[in-house]
Amino acid sequence: GENVEQHPSTLSVQEGDSAVIKCTYSDSASNYFPWYKQELGKRPQLIIDIRSNVGEKKDQRIAVTLNKTAKHFSLHITETQPEDSAVYFCAANDAGGTSYGKLTFGQGTILTVHP
Amino acid sequence: EAGVVQSPRYKIIEKKQPVAFWCNPISGHNTLYWYLQNLGQGPELLIRYENEEAVDDSQLPKDRFSAERLKGVDSTLKIQPAELGDSAVYLCASSFRLTRDHGELFFGEGSRLTVL
Repeated sequence: GENVEQHPSTLSVQEGDSAVIKCTYSDSASNYFPWYKQELGKRPQLIIDIRSNVGEKKDQRIAVTLNKTAKHFSLHITETQPEDSAVYFCAANDAGGTSYGKLTFGQGTILTVHP
Repeated sequence: EAGVVQSPRYKIIEKKQPVAFWCNPISGHNTLYWYLQNLGQGPELLIRYENEEAVDDSQLPKDRFSAERLKGVDSTLKIQPAELGDSAVYLCASSFRLTRDHGELFFGEGSRLTVL
């Protein structure tokens, strides 16, 4: 099955700086890579996703890049704000067989943005 | 529109006791998931339903865990008997029927279980 590794586990930045979180995956057949944000005590919520037919996707201050050859994808947050502080999870799908609907999540990155 | 609703939000039980969690997915979502989230970890899939059929339960510890989704809407997840290591947050999520192009999962707030 799919294995997703996420780094770093914690990330501390000053307000206005950029933050980058990286994930690697093992299954070359995976074709869907979402990022979820989870604030303390709240539900995970999708913030951006990318499919394997594109290399980059942007939505205002957040962007995701995908390198299928190297099997890694990254989340980029520019002009960080204190409200960006949360746990961020990357995920990759199982694309084959009866598990194709399964998302495997990374271990999470605790992002802290200092005012 | 209401999101995914879970109950109870918090549950504290003694080990060896039974516990049940309930989930009401977003209306129209055929696919329902139960995920386990340990502290400081990402969610791990326990079971996935397409309507009332469990299509992936390979990660569900079937000796003590069971789940059902009668009528293809609400779902319950049961643990009997609970063990200390079951303390975690149990997340329910739903989505439209999956195709090869995956869609967004909508999560509930979770049910936090503490086993003493």
